[in-house]
Amino acid sequence: EIVLTQSPGTLSLSPGERVTLSCRASQSVSSNLAWYQQKPGQAPRLLIYGASTRATGIPARFSGSGAGTEFTLTISSLQSEDFAVYYCQQYNMWPRAFGQGTQVEIK
Amino acid sequence: EVQLLESGAGLAQPGGSLRLSCAASGFTFSNYPMGWVRQAPGKGLEWVSVINAAGSGTNYADSVKGRSTVSRDNSRGTLYLQMSALRAEDSAVYYCVKIYDFSSYFPDYWGQGTLVTVSS
Repeated sequence: EIVLTQSPGTLSLSPGERVTLSCRASQSVSSNLAWYQQKPGQAPRLLIYGASTRATGIPARFSGSGAGTEFTLTISSLQSEDFAVYYCQQYNMWPRAFGQGTQVEIK
Repeated sequence: EVQLLESGAGLAQPGGSLRLSCAASGFTFSNYPMGWVRQAPGKGLEWVSVINAAGSGTNYADSVKGRSTVSRDNSRGTLYLQMSALRAEDSAVYYCVKIYDFSSYFPDYWGQGTLVTVSS
């Protein structure tokens, strides 16, 4: 079973800052990794799949990179609407797994 | 526009059962795998189950295996989750999800979720 570990657990940042979130897999998932954003009281929203492909309608300030076991989600300039919890998810093997999430909060 | 509307939740007794439904629209339902993901209060996301487009193949998380059945009615555009022998730890928001495609089983669209509370 693949375990995804996200770091850090919480980030306190100001609007306009660059954000880098990490997701590490316990074994290789190739490029079969997705990122989701979840705001309070809302369902998650797909941001990135295939480690680096933005989903439909996702702003260009969101980018993903990595392969194998190390992945990164970057927000180039944090906007007020980006304060949320971010989850990674691997779809290379069963059972599917989500990371525990990284909360991005306003400093 | 893809829409997924869950129903059938609420309060259930420990050891009891429930059936969740998800009405899908805005895409050709019969062409896509579908699934359920849950989130306990204040916790992270957990895969529950998935079903292929034809309804002939399923997969379950170990936490619900043997107690849950996922099914679909392609003629009605509806996904179901039947759960039995409910436990307190089954209490969660249950999200209906559309799967991206048959070769990449990740959710690309989510319903708003329905809350299940298991308590006496």
